Amino acid sequence: NAGVTQTPKFRILKIGQSMTLQCTQDMNHNYMYWYRQDPGMGLKLIYYSVGAGITDKGEVPNGYNVSRSTTEDFPLRLELAAPSQTSVYFCASSRQGENIQYFGAGTRLSVL
Amino acid sequence: QKEVEQNSGPLSVPEGAIASLNCTYSDRVSQSFFWYRQYSGKSPELIMSIYSNGDKEDGRFTAQLNKASQYVSLLIRDSQPSDSATYLCAVNRAGSSNTGKLIFGQGTTLQVKP
Repeated sequence: NAGVTQTPKFRILKIGQSMTLQCTQDMNHNYMYWYRQDPGMGLKLIYYSVGAGITDKGEVPNGYNVSRSTTEDFPLRLELAAPSQTSVYFCASSRQGENIQYFGAGTRLSVL
Repeated sequence: QKEVEQNSGPLSVPEGAIASLNCTYSDRVSQSFFWYRQYSGKSPELIMSIYSNGDKEDGRFTAQLNKASQYVSLLIRDSQPSDSATYLCAVNRAGSSNTGKLIFGQGTTLQVKP
């Protein structure tokens, strides 16, 4: 099992550009999450999903969108990138009924 | 008041000592509590989970939970330089049994000096 796989690992965007951060898991987990982590801070939940076709906002959803067309994939879309979106983004998944989350390696994004 | 609070540190201990990391939470109905370890530039990795009051031991790690005081701690015995990392406390959000959502503290940075 690869677990949770995120691509790309690093990316530099210009202000106003768009991009999609990819996340896929092979553990057949129903629940998936996107977090951002700013330097010296904890994890802030951006969006989450409890199954294919079901998504909901977390604490900091503004400027982001998600979709969940399959159990495995949970891409995060940034529209009109802003410097405030410079951060490290982590995708995580968990099994229904179990609160333990498993994390991907992260995507380090800089918006300049 | 933050929902999950940790002292950001750094907490510095000598090699071989006991490191004590603390976390308080505000929601009395939280039921699941986790400690994640995060090395610099890496992703969080689960090291302990605890659901009931009392102590839970796993090797050199002991998690302690006191729901009455809304307090959870992590003890690391015989600390090693390889334990140097940021430790994140996470608590399940009330009513989140059907979403698995967690609230994370900002983390405590531990430095173990040889």
